[in-house]
Amino acid sequence: QKEVEQDPGPLSVPEGAIVSLNCTYSNSAFQYFMWYRQYSRKGPELLMYTYSSGNKEDGRFTAQVDKSSKYISLFIRDSQPSDSATYLCAMSVSGGSNYKLTFGKGTLLTVNP
Amino acid sequence: GAVVSQHPSRVICKSGTSVKIECRSLDFQATTMFWYRQFPKKSLMLMATSNEGSKATYEQGVEKDKFLINHASLTLSTLTVTSAHPEDSSFYICSAREMGTGYNYGYTFGSGTRLTVV
Repeated sequence: QKEVEQDPGPLSVPEGAIVSLNCTYSNSAFQYFMWYRQYSRKGPELLMYTYSSGNKEDGRFTAQVDKSSKYISLFIRDSQPSDSATYLCAMSVSGGSNYKLTFGKGTLLTVNP
Repeated sequence: GAVVSQHPSRVICKSGTSVKIECRSLDFQATTMFWYRQFPKKSLMLMATSNEGSKATYEQGVEKDKFLINHASLTLSTLTVTSAHPEDSSFYICSAREMGTGYNYGYTFGSGTRLTVV
């Protein structure tokens, strides 16, 4: 079993739809959870970060972490064509700057105008 | 915000030659930088952790003699792919985080280098 599982999609939705992206993980030591967005042929950029369980909202984006289920989600409201990208979940055991991230495979999202 | 500059963005080299990729933190210092490899439609695979002033830590299965990492200063790490072969063709990405910042700053990634070995 891989440490982090993420459905690679692809996921195609109409503009304005609510998008739900998810990851599951097996390592109960993960404490820090992140979502990155990666456009084609570019490096990932940080969207959301969460420590431990709970919800966090930033504009149209909401991140949820359920440590009891080892399940994290990213919701995108009122999706826009500019949201079309690959979304990667990532997590780490520690928040220190020398601790590595473990990534999911990424979900390719297309938002159609 | 923090910026990581990675060069070159794209390189084509002949089989058997070596290629150097640079990763620079432009406005912050980083004792640790990470090097990833990404295959099409695959996730980021951590290759090694680059530590300023000391040897890099390689992940299992990554050949340290083939992928040479040097972290000469707090703002520069280099990855040299030695004696490159077509199977080394991939997208290589570096990342770093400013020293002393909390997890909520995340890791900043370079824009990646597309290596093609012919």
